[in-house]
Parts: sequence; C-alpha cells; structure tokens
Amino acid sequence: DQQVKQNSPSLSVQEGRISILNCDYTNSMFDYFLWYKKYPAEGPTFLISISSIKDKNEDGRFTVFLNKSAKHLSLHIVPSQPGDSAVYFCAAIPRGSSNTGKLIFGQGTTLQVKP
Amino acid sequence: NAGVTQTPKFQVLKTGQSMTLQCAQDMNHNSMYWYRQDPGMGLRLIYYSASEGTTDKGEVPNGYNVSRLNKREFSLRLESAAPSQTSVYFCASSENRGYTFGSGTRLTVV
Repeated sequence: DQQVKQNSPSLSVQEGRISILNCDYTNSMFDYFLWYKKYPAEGPTFLISISSIKDKNEDGRFTVFLNKSAKHLSLHIVPSQPGDSAVYFCAAIPRGSSNTGKLIFGQGTTLQVKP
Repeated sequence: NAGVTQTPKFQVLKTGQSMTLQCAQDMNHNSMYWYRQDPGMGLRLIYYSASEGTTDKGEVPNGYNVSRLNKREFSLRLESAAPSQTSVYFCASSENRGYTFGSGTRLTVV
C-alpha cells in the first residue's frame, strides 16, 4: 500500500517555464515532507522541505505547497533550467519518528527540461 | 568531507551467494538507514538504526541482515542472494531531519 504517491512518472517542460511536480499522501500522521532530487548514478540530494504546520516554503527557484485537507503537496520550480532535469522524489516522515527518520518515499517523477 | 560512502559501487552475484554492502558516514549522525530502489517503486526502507547498538526492520527486511558496527558504520548482508534482490541499494544517515545519501550500490543477482 503506497502511502506516498507520485502519479506522474514523467514531466517535460520548456526552459524558463514553470515545472509543477505533484505528490499525494494517504496517512494523516505525516508531519514533515521533503523533496529530493536524484541524478543518474548518484544518491538522492535534499532539495526543500515543509512542516505540516505550514502551507508554503520557498527557497530560491523552488517552492513547496502543502494542502493538508487534500493530502497533497506540490513542488514548483520557476524558472526551470536544463540542469533541473532529474528524478524528483517526494518523501514524508510519520509523526513521532523524527528521531529515527524512516522516510517514506513516493515512486518518483522524471523531469526533463528542454532548452 | 566525504559524507556517506558506500562500497562496492557495482556487484554481480550468483543466486545463493552471500555478500555484505558496506556503508560509513563521517558526519557523526546517530541514525543510519538502508534503502533499495526499484523501478516504479521509489525507495523502500530495508533496515534502520536509530543509534549505535540498535537496529530495526523497515518495510522490506526479508532476506537481509544488518550490523551497526559503531557510530560510523552500518553494513547490510545478503546471506543467500536471490534474483528478487537485484536492485540499487542506498545507505543514508540523518540528524534532526537532515538526511545524506550515499551514491548507491548497483547489485545484480543472476
């Protein structure tokens, strides 16, 4: 049973435009959400995170939005650059497990940014 | 600063063979993890260690064992490899929700 779902396996956008990556979750006990970026033959690297007490967090070109009532979060990249082409994973931490981590990952979305 | 180091990077095993994947971190993190990544499945937690001397099962522990040798090192052992264990394995460490991943071990079991 997939608790964190990324229903779009891939996304293609033009350089300079906005990329929107989506993630849905089923467990109301998640209290922290993260986005990771992964290039081929490398490990995931942290991009941005958001606590469940907030609905938006921004870091440069990256903004994460959290809609708790819909159990949905999204990552916006503006403007998109060719170097953003990678696999993006949404991840969540269940409440009470912050000391142990136990990230729960979505399936990933492959973003291609065309020059 | 190396972060999280995994060895080996690639490995081919025959069914039934055993091997140990090594992981070491130099960030003085308490928690360490082993994940596997399979196409369309994301990363799934195999085992984790919240602190030195403790280990717990994750989502997919069957067929694996782990050892938290000390605070720096966390190894993953396959006692009798099966084709279903063909995957990319990632080790990670964390402190206060800051996670660092290794570059992965690509394992093929034939």
